Amino acid sequence: AQSVAQPEDQVNVAEGNPLTVKCTYSVSGNPYLFWYVQYPNRGLQFLLKYITGDNLVKGSYGFEAEFNKSQTSFHLKKPSALVSDSALYFCAVRDPYNQGGKLIFGQGTELSVKP
Amino acid sequence: GAVVSQHPSRVICKSGTSVKIECRSLDFQATTMFWYRQFPKKSLMLMATSNEGSKATYEQGVEKDKFLINHASLTLSTLTVTSAHPEDSSFYICSARRTSSSYNEQFFGPGTRLTVL
Repeated sequence: AQSVAQPEDQVNVAEGNPLTVKCTYSVSGNPYLFWYVQYPNRGLQFLLKYITGDNLVKGSYGFEAEFNKSQTSFHLKKPSALVSDSALYFCAVRDPYNQGGKLIFGQGTELSVKP
Repeated sequence: GAVVSQHPSRVICKSGTSVKIECRSLDFQATTMFWYRQFPKKSLMLMATSNEGSKATYEQGVEKDKFLINHASLTLSTLTVTSAHPEDSSFYICSARRTSSSYNEQFFGPGTRLTVL
């Protein structure tokens, strides 16, 4: 069965420091991987995706993620965190050949960036 | 492009009444839309997959007679919560899958906060 795990419920980072939000996945085939961000009382905003090609994917707002097939991970990173990055982050996976294209979401990681 | 709207953004209703939430893809066609429910600071729970012109596919444990879904056109899906009760209070989010995208990307609406008194 497909699954996504975000092992950290919360990540705390000082402004200006690098941040990492972890994600591991389990899927039978080659996955499509996504990161979304959610601000309070808002819908999800797309950050970036990995479909194929270069393992390092660059996305919106200076975020990037690295696809690591051997470790089945897709960690979200940013070199220098901003207070405005504080939000709820979701990793998601889609098996392109199964499940009707449904997205499977991780449980979410709350990122808190302090000044 | 790829904007999805939801209406209303917030609704308060009395127990026993029905509430309709609209999800629209504003600048693209979406043969498939998804309805999610989210509890505070929790992940999204997929409720159902809405396909234009056909019946919705509900996830296990979701009552289809309580959560009525209609996908009448390529740009509109509606979720009706029938005979709402306080336990139905939640944040409901829809997404639309762009038909023309080779990767069938999903774009999310801003969500609807439902409070049942």
